[in-house]
Amino acid sequence: DTEVTQTPKHLVMGMTNKKSLKCEQHMGHRAMYWYKQKAKKPPELMFVYSYEKLSINESVPSRFSPECPNSSLLNLHLHALQPEDSALYLCAASGKGTDTQYFGPGTRLTVL
Amino acid sequence: AQSVTQPDIHITVSEGASLELRCNYSYGATPYLFWYVQSPGQGLQLLLKYFSGDTLVQGIKGFEAEFKRSQSSFNLRKPSVHWSDAAEYFCAVGAGPSSNTGKLIFGQGTTLQVKP
Repeated sequence: DTEVTQTPKHLVMGMTNKKSLKCEQHMGHRAMYWYKQKAKKPPELMFVYSYEKLSINESVPSRFSPECPNSSLLNLHLHALQPEDSALYLCAASGKGTDTQYFGPGTRLTVL
Repeated sequence: AQSVTQPDIHITVSEGASLELRCNYSYGATPYLFWYVQSPGQGLQLLLKYFSGDTLVQGIKGFEAEFKRSQSSFNLRKPSVHWSDAAEYFCAVGAGPSSNTGKLIFGQGTTLQVKP
């Protein structure tokens, strides 16, 4: 099985704040993902990192900035967010060529 | 274009009754197929997956799914539902080995409510 951890569990921030979400996996998976999920909706893909390089950016606003410091870590830097950015942010990891994504528990973000 | 349809937005079943959640996909080749479950405020948990081989796949928590190529379907079943199965269920399709990124296409989800 695969464990993906995310911190923090909850985050409340103002529109002028800068904060970061963190994701970690130790299963050697080579692809990592950030998703945004609104209530009662499926996850929406934001970014994909493959072998620590950004391979997909789904036209996400620049106030979201991803970073992959190494093969186990994925960060999402947040700056000047809007209230509509409030959502559950999910991280996932998958092995090469299998598409099986394992998800973390998510960070519940509230923007005031 | 690839797509996944879950025709039932909301399903209510009695505890102990059988369950079937429908999933239809549109994809040019044989896709990789997944079912995930999500409890409120939690991440997605993988229930089962189909890549190839036996078209009836067993998953965790007593769930199974059957891949029917002729119907482009991958329906999820459970013979006897427990109250703890109440959650949101997502069907998803992936491109398989041809994909370098493992991007998934999700259905809109089905909310399962379990009556005592």
